Parts: sequence; structure tokens; C-alpha cells
Amino acid sequence: RKEVEQDPGPFNVPEGATVAFNCTYSNSASQSFFWYRQDCRKEPKLLMSVYSSGNEDGRFTAQLNRASQYISLLIRDSKLSDSATYLCVVGSGGSNYKLTFGKGTLLTVNP
Amino acid sequence: DGGITQSPKYLFRKEGQNVTLSCEQNLNHDAMYWYRQDPGQGLRLIYYSQIVNDFQKGDIAEGYSVSREKKESFPLTVTSAQKNPTAFYLCASSQGGRGYNEQFFGPGTRLTVL
Repeated sequence: RKEVEQDPGPFNVPEGATVAFNCTYSNSASQSFFWYRQDCRKEPKLLMSVYSSGNEDGRFTAQLNRASQYISLLIRDSKLSDSATYLCVVGSGGSNYKLTFGKGTLLTVNP
Repeated sequence: DGGITQSPKYLFRKEGQNVTLSCEQNLNHDAMYWYRQDPGQGLRLIYYSQIVNDFQKGDIAEGYSVSREKKESFPLTVTSAQKNPTAFYLCASSQGGRGYNEQFFGPGTRLTVL
């Protein structure tokens, strides 16, 4: 099993659609979880951290299921500007600062 | 403004040459990282440093070297021993410590070997 595995995509959706990204991780001792966004030929940027209780930031909702080792990101009312690659990222925590990145899922929102 | 800078943005190298990529941060972060990104691949960790004058190999350190003489600087040298160096190189930093390991990235350097 890969350390961090994401839907391969790509996803093509119309404006206003709801889109969900799924991610699984293999290390049950993982401590921190994030979603990053990467625009074409740019650096990744932190979109949101993911907490056990789930968290929401406007149109974006992230969920974590530790028992299933599963992370999700939901985008509601998608905008053209949401078009990007979404990276699932898992941290080992503790004194080890290592983050493991999924390969990403490309989202294209169409007018 | 606080942030991470990388230079140059684009770099062309002849086979057999060593090149050094610059990374500077003014976020006062303890930890710094170097990643490599290839098309269709996730980011792969080359080296990381948790504190000045200390660094550890990541998953793909062969053919690369780093130094961490100052807190704000973490240059990466791509040596001639690196067999396939053409890639997008990303530097990142984090404050470090439990719960603070979100990483923030510089704009990257695109290295092409001619």
C-alpha cells in the first residue's frame, strides 16, 4: 500500500458543482493531515489542515477518519478559480517533521 | 513581507556540471526542506534540516548535497552524480515542533540539463 494514495483523476466539473477528493494513508501513527493546492507550474500552497473533528472553511470541508485512515476534501459551489491540483499530505508528527505528499488530483472547473 | 525565496527561477546545466540552488527564508522557521517534483509524481524529499548545522537525508538524497550554516539559508547542490536532475525543485520551511509542521513553499527552481 502506498504511503499516501489519492484519486488519480482528473476531475472535470461544471461551475457550481460539488466535488469530493479522497485520500488514504498507510501509517497509522500519522499525526497531522493537510490539503494543499498547486496551480500549474507553481508551488504548493496550504489550503487547510484536517482535524479529527472535521473542519470547514467557506466552501471547503475536510474530514479525517483515523480508524479507516482516510481523509476527504469537499468543495461546494465550485468556481473556475478552484481549478488546480489538490494534494493530500500526511505528517508523521512528533520530532520528525517529515511530510508525505500524495501525487495529487487535478481538478478543472468548466464554465 | 515574510516568505521564502528561491533563485534562480530557471536554470540550465550541461551534463557533468554541479549547480547550486538558493533558498532563503525570513519566517524565522527552524526547519527547512528540499523536494523534487517530476511530472505526474508527488513531491519527493531530498534533504531536510531541523536546526542550523544539522541535516538529514530524505528519500532521494543520492547525487545531492546541502548545507545549513545559517538559520535562514539552505542551499542545495545538484552534483554530476545525479543521473536525472531535470525537475522542478521546491524549498520549504516550517516552524517545527508538534502541531506546527505545516510547510510553506518557495516558488521553485526549474532545472534543465542540456
